[in-house]
Parts: sequence; structure tokens; C-alpha cells
Amino acid sequence: GENVEQHPSTLSVQEGDSAVIKCTYSDSASNYFPWYKQELGKRPQLIIDIRSNVGEKKDQRIAVTLNKTAKHFSLHITETQPEDSAVYFCAASRGPGANNLFFGTGTRLTVIP
Amino acid sequence: DGGITQSPKYLFRKEGQNVTLSCEQNLNHDAMYWYRQDPGQGLRLIYYSQIVNDFQKGDIAEGYSVSREKKESFPLTVTSAQKNPTAFYLCASSILTGYEQYFGPGTRLTVT
Repeated sequence: GENVEQHPSTLSVQEGDSAVIKCTYSDSASNYFPWYKQELGKRPQLIIDIRSNVGEKKDQRIAVTLNKTAKHFSLHITETQPEDSAVYFCAASRGPGANNLFFGTGTRLTVIP
Repeated sequence: DGGITQSPKYLFRKEGQNVTLSCEQNLNHDAMYWYRQDPGQGLRLIYYSQIVNDFQKGDIAEGYSVSREKKESFPLTVTSAQKNPTAFYLCASSILTGYEQYFGPGTRLTVT
């Protein structure tokens, strides 16, 4: 099955700096890569996703890049704010019809005011 | 927070008892999923269902059972055979032709 690894497990940045979280996956058939933000005791919330037919996707301060050859994808958050503090999870799946998500182990991001 | 609901939010049980967690959705989604989350870890798939009266095991199905008698409902039973049942349980749903999964608010189960 799919194996998703995520690094780092914890990340502290100063407010206004950028944060980068990296994930690798093992299943070459995976073609959907979402990123979730989870606050303590709450449900995961999808913040951005990318499909394998694109290499980069941006949404305001958040961007995701995908390198299918190397089987890795990354989350970039620019101009970080204290409200960005949370646990972030990457995931991978084969897409519709077989879209069981395989999650990384999470990154706890702390933005220091 | 509407669309997919889980109840109760917190659940306490004694060891050796079976317990059933509720998951309901009004999104008209065909597919539903159960995940388990342990502290400091990602979500792991327990069971999923793509159609009524059919479901498949995920990576950690041992000690759990499910049913899918209605499209809107996908209850999870944690049996006494599950060795470490204390965890945060999340239900999700999606359309069959779509990519995104929508998560419920979760149930925190504590077994002592």
C-alpha cells in the first residue's frame, strides 16, 4: 500500500516568515495530494490540494508543489500569522473510485508573534 | 459545521464493552470512511463504504465492525477485541467521482 512520510514533525517560525513542510509518497499510482489543517480537538480542514497533472498550485499565502518523478510534494506558507499555528497533514490517494487517503504523521507549526 | 455529523463528541466506556459511534451525512455522498487518530499521529483508515450494504476493510480493521444500511449513515462499532480503543475517531464522506473528503467533527473515545 501507500506510505506517506512527512517532515518536520515540529516547526517554529517567526510571524511573517515562511514555513515549508515536505512529504514523500511511495505509490506511483497516487494522483491526488491534499493538505489538511487541524486545530486541537477539531476536524481536519482541507486547505489546498493538487492533482498530478499540475506541478504547482497557489491560493493566496499558501502554495503546494508536486514532483511526480521524485514522488514528493511540499506545502509553502508565506507571511505566516499566529492563526496559522496548527497541525498540518499531507495525504495521498489514487483519486476518484479509489480515493482512500493515506496520511502523513503531521507537522505541528507554531508561529511566534 | 453541517453536512456530516458525529455523536457523541466524547464517549467513555469500560474495557470489555462494545461501543457504537454514529456518523450521519446529508450531503448525498455515496462514499463514507472511518479513520482513527492517535496523539501525534496521522489518520489511519479503519473501514470505508462506496455503496449501501457494501464496505471494505482499511489498514486497521481488526477489532472494528461497520454497517451501511442507509446511504446517510455509517456507524462504527468498537468491539472488545480492539486492544487499544482509546483514540479520536473521524468519519468522512465524498462523492464517488470526486477527490475531496469532508470530515465530521470527531468522537473522542476513552476506554478504561
